[in-house]
Order: sequence, then C-alpha cells, then structure tokens
Amino acid sequence: DTEVTQTPKHLVMGMTNKKSLKCEQHMGHRAMYWYKQKAKKPPELMFVYSYEKLSINESVPSRFSPECPNSSLLNLHLHALQPEDSALYLCASSHNSGTGETQYFGPGTRLLVL
Amino acid sequence: QKEVEQNSGPLSVPEGAIASLNCTYSDRGSQSFFWYRQYSGKSPELIMSIYSNGDKEDGRFTAQLNKASQYVSLLIRDSQPSDSATYLCAVNSRLAGNQFYFGTGTSLTVIP
Repeated sequence: DTEVTQTPKHLVMGMTNKKSLKCEQHMGHRAMYWYKQKAKKPPELMFVYSYEKLSINESVPSRFSPECPNSSLLNLHLHALQPEDSALYLCASSHNSGTGETQYFGPGTRLLVL
Repeated sequence: QKEVEQNSGPLSVPEGAIASLNCTYSDRGSQSFFWYRQYSGKSPELIMSIYSNGDKEDGRFTAQLNKASQYVSLLIRDSQPSDSATYLCAVNSRLAGNQFYFGTGTSLTVIP
C-alpha cells in the first residue's frame, strides 16, 4: 500500500480566512513533505519533516505554517493568503527501501484564494 | 545548484509507437531516479524508480540510467492514448537528505 491521503480535495478561502490542509499516511514513512504546484510547472518544495522534525523550510512565507503532530499526520495551516497562493498543494511521504529514498504523492488539495 | 533538465516538449507520438523521454541531471552524487506521470489536474503518480546503471523494465515502461553521462530516460512501448500526460523526472541524492529535485516535465500526447 502506497497511499497518502489529503483533505479537503478542494478549498476556497478569502484572504482573511484561516484554514488547514491535512495529510495522512500509514506506511511508516518517516519523511513527509508539502509542495505547491502551479499549472504547467513542476512541484515546488515548501517543507520537509523528517522523524517529525522540520528539516527543510524553503523560505516559505509565514502565512503558511506546517505542523507534524505525529509520524502519520502532516498539517498545513493557512492564514491571510494572497490570490497568488492559489495552486495545487501536494503532500508526499518517502521511505528508504535500502536502495534509495522513494517518494509518493497524495491526491492534492486544489486551493483557490479569492 | 542541483538541476534536472528534461527534453522540451510537447511530444506527440502515434498510438502503438515508442515514446522516448529524456532527462539529465547535474549532481553527480545523485543516487535515486524517478519518473512520475501526471494527468491534468491530478497529482504525480510514481511509475518507475531506478537506482543502478542499466535498464529496468516494468510492463510497457523501461527506465534507463547512465550515471557516467548523468542521463536517465523513460521508454514507453506500444503507446496508448491513456499515456497522454506530463512526465516528471525526479532525482534524489543521499547528501541532499530528503530533498527531491524535479525537472520541468515533458508533455506527451499519444494520437489515436
């Protein structure tokens, strides 16, 4: 099983709203990621958690706040977003199979900021 | 700077033909190589991973890795219209920890 789940599938929010995106995996993967993807562009890394600790923050604005409550869950808290933050937000997890690290994506949350 | 480059698209092939997708990478320390397929509006789906030089076959897909040339390719045999998607090449280096580097993607259209 290589399933990463994300909720909600779609989200519309105003610039003054606070919302959260959720991600879950039960594969025992120890690394979890948030990516942002705009149309016709590759995924753009935002955050990496390794063993529940934030290991990479790609200079993401503070209006995006990640949280890793436990090894299976990853949240992305959103506050005071801008219309240009509208994108597909992808969660992923990865594990090392011995030959190398392999990453799997969730279905994504399509975010529209009005 | 770790760069991953893919051959510019879009790429169109007739149904039943072989589609060839190419990717080069700049970091010689790269150790894990991946091909993801992404349908429009959907998330990337892992279709092939390769870790050592040579060929790896899975059904109609063959990944080829040449670390000396820093080159990885994906061949799709007997292409089907359902293969029409954007294909993303991704690379991971142990030195980069848990960071994956993506190419810009190649859009493939299989014409019935």
